[in-house]
Order: sequence, then C-alpha cells, then structure tokens
Amino acid sequence: GAGVSQSPRYKVTKRGQDVALRCDPISGHVSLYWYRQALGQGPEFLTYFNYEAQQDKSGLPNDRFSAERPEGSISTLTIQRTEQRDSAMYRCASSFGRGNTEAFFGQGTRLTVV
Amino acid sequence: QQPVQSPQAVILREGEDAVINCSSSKALYSVHWYRQKHGEAPVFLMILLKGGEQKGHEKISASFNEKKQQSSLYLTASQLSYSGTYFCGTETMDSNYQLIWGAGTKLIIKP
Repeated sequence: GAGVSQSPRYKVTKRGQDVALRCDPISGHVSLYWYRQALGQGPEFLTYFNYEAQQDKSGLPNDRFSAERPEGSISTLTIQRTEQRDSAMYRCASSFGRGNTEAFFGQGTRLTVV
Repeated sequence: QQPVQSPQAVILREGEDAVINCSSSKALYSVHWYRQKHGEAPVFLMILLKGGEQKGHEKISASFNEKKQQSSLYLTASQLSYSGTYFCGTETMDSNYQLIWGAGTKLIIKP
C-alpha cells in the first residue's frame, strides 16, 4: 500500500477483554516495529520484527502482550485481559531495512479500556 | 537509557531560529530526528551516523558531535509549518536496532 495502515483507528473495550491490533506495512518493508505512545511523550518501543522473525520483544510490558507477523507482512499485536492502564495510542512503523533507515509510521490505534 | 531533549518547549515568531538538543550519557551509533504534528504520525527528518556529521533538509539541519553523544537540530527562518513536536531517537551499539526516543520538544511558531 501507499503507507502503513493500522486498524482499527479507535478501539474501546471493556476491561478483561482481548484485543487485536493490526498493522499492514509498506509493501517490501522488511522491518516492522510496534510502539506505544502516551500523549505528549515519545514512542515507547514494544517489539520488532525482521521479516517474520520477532527479533526483540523486550519492550512488551508483560505476558498479556504478544505480537506476530507470520508471513513477514501484516502484523498483529494482541493484548489479552485488557486493563485500564493499557489505554494508549499504539503505533506501528515499517522500514525497508533494519537500523539506519527511515521508518514510516502508521496513524495508530487509539485503545481505550473502560 | 532515554536521551535528554532540551528545551522541552519553545515558542517562536515566524522567521526566527531555534535549536533543539538531544544528549546521551553514552556514545551513540546513530541519531534519528522526527517531527510529529498534533494528531498525526511522526514523520522522518534525517539520520546522522558519523561523529562530526552535519546534514541539511531545506532550512532544517542537524549535527552530531565528535564524541557521538549529542545531536542538535537547527531550524532557521522558521515557518508556520514547522510547528509540532520534535523527537530524537537514538541507537547504541547494544540496542539491537531499536530506537530509544527522547521525550520530545514542542515547537510553536506564531505568525
């Protein structure tokens, strides 16, 4: 696609429910990153894929968070048993290569847990 | 370790200059600069890799000092379109390709 696409744009869920956030990166981009961004703050790293391999998941807050990219393209970030503290903007970014290349960010998914 | 950005916020009149700093306590492999407008995604500005490097992007340029622990972003003759929050993302030798982002510098340009 023309840019990084994330869906849904907004998600309101009840505490305890599972949610799945989707990221469709730019075609041909090898690297895919998930971030969480609080209002007025910089992106906080969650996890990173190179092709389908999850290279680093050290930023995932706890074991309720998981991510996959089974075919090296679309990625899903899943949050199980959501809690109010999970409310945030979740952003995906992709780049042609890893490391020193320009990253393109999606518009994000605004998650609200009530 | 999160890089320190300064200032936290700056208000300018159109046409004035600004400098935004990004500092780390240890040597960096690279520094990435992004601008984010309210309600939008961050947008790439430039990457600096080498100590002593300087890069330009229209009237926005950046430098990376010789020790590779500080980068500065220079905005000259600022335009209204420069308003937004500027973030530096830093990479260290052991960061495994992930960027650690500063808290951002909010830039407001007034006509």
